[in-house]
Amino acid sequence: GAVVSQHPSWVICKSGTSVKIECRSLDFQATTMFWYRQFPKQSLMLMATSNEGSKATYEQGVEKDKFLINHASLTLSTLTVTSAHPEDSSFYICSADSPSDEQYFGPGTRLTVT
Amino acid sequence: AQKVTQAQTEISVVEKEDVTLDCVYETRDTTYYLFWYKQPPSGELVFLIRRNSFDEQNEISGRYSWNFQKSTSSFNFTITASQVVDSAVYFCALSGRGSGAQKLVFGQGTRLTINP
Repeated sequence: GAVVSQHPSWVICKSGTSVKIECRSLDFQATTMFWYRQFPKQSLMLMATSNEGSKATYEQGVEKDKFLINHASLTLSTLTVTSAHPEDSSFYICSADSPSDEQYFGPGTRLTVT
Repeated sequence: AQKVTQAQTEISVVEKEDVTLDCVYETRDTTYYLFWYKQPPSGELVFLIRRNSFDEQNEISGRYSWNFQKSTSSFNFTITASQVVDSAVYFCALSGRGSGAQKLVFGQGTRLTINP
């Protein structure tokens, strides 16, 4: 089946630094990708919809200046957590829409901010 | 607004027992999709099933079965003869219109523990 990768799978960074997470669709083109965040023992919450060639659409309560999303190609979307703080520590998961209208999830990126 | 409710936060059963995970949803869309995902400790979501709103047929896949009832807005998931490997968090999710371009709304998840 279709594969979506994320890099890195885990990252530890210091408070105040920025971290970039990549989401790639490996064998299909995705005009739309989604970014979700999952806090420990909680559900997945949609952060934003990433559209190739246009600005991302953020969910209510998600700071667009803090979580920068770039979808520069049909196979790559990036999420940059700027000036990260410990409360940004979470599991970030992306998903990508395939041309066959299926949605595939990446394996997730665990971010720890110290 | 769309909403998914999984009232069971945690379930613990002994191996070989049957277990049903409940899912109730709310949506104003006439066309929508329902999903179940399994999330093992590794964190990666494992797709289990997608069902569109026009197909109320129950589905069986090995030890897994799903019961979709539009009249009660429920999409319950049953594991028959549970095994320790079934231990995970299970999420029910909903998307409107098309399953692709529409975002998913997830339930709170049910943590299932199968004890040997």
